[in-house]
Amino acid sequence: GAGVSQSPSNKVTEKGKDVELRCDPISGHTALYWYRQRLGQGLEFLIYFQGNSAPDKSGLPSDRFSAERTGESVSTLTIQRTQQEDSAVYLCASSLGPVNTEAFFGQGTRLTVV
Amino acid sequence: ILNVEQSPQSLHVQEGDSTNFTCSFPSSNFYALHWYRWETAKSPEALFVMTLNGDEKKKGRISATLNTKEGYSYLYIKGSQPEDSATYLCAFSEGYQKVTFGTGTKLQVIP
Repeated sequence: GAGVSQSPSNKVTEKGKDVELRCDPISGHTALYWYRQRLGQGLEFLIYFQGNSAPDKSGLPSDRFSAERTGESVSTLTIQRTQQEDSAVYLCASSLGPVNTEAFFGQGTRLTVV
Repeated sequence: ILNVEQSPQSLHVQEGDSTNFTCSFPSSNFYALHWYRWETAKSPEALFVMTLNGDEKKKGRISATLNTKEGYSYLYIKGSQPEDSATYLCAFSEGYQKVTFGTGTKLQVIP
């Protein structure tokens, strides 16, 4: 596609439910990143994929968070047993390759846990 | 944990004023420094990627400089316009790894 696409754009879920967020990167982009921004805070790194492997998962806040990527394509971020502190905008970005190339961001998924 | 700091946190300037903000990052294992502009209700948009000490980049009225030895980058906006109002993020990458973002400088240009 023309840009990074994320779905859904908004998600309201009840505490304790699982949610799945999707990211479609720009075709040909090997690097994919997930970030989140909680209210009033900066961008927080979650996970980085190079191809379909994740050399850096250090940002995942707990074992309730997991992410997968199919080849150099779609990625899903899954949050199990959501908590209110998971409420945030979840942003996905992709780039052509190494980190000295610019990243292109999706519009984000606004997750609200009630 | 990498420390990428931006200052000031927020800034109000009058239309037509020039302004600048700072990004500080670890000076060891430098790989690249990115600047992004993030307007409300939009996604971050890349402004510059800089990799070499002494790099200077320019895009219209916005420019950036890089000092990797001392670990800082400046972003300059000349003749600020209301449409420049946004949060400006810098991001540092150490080696072939993730990009760590600062918390941003929120700029408000008053007409």
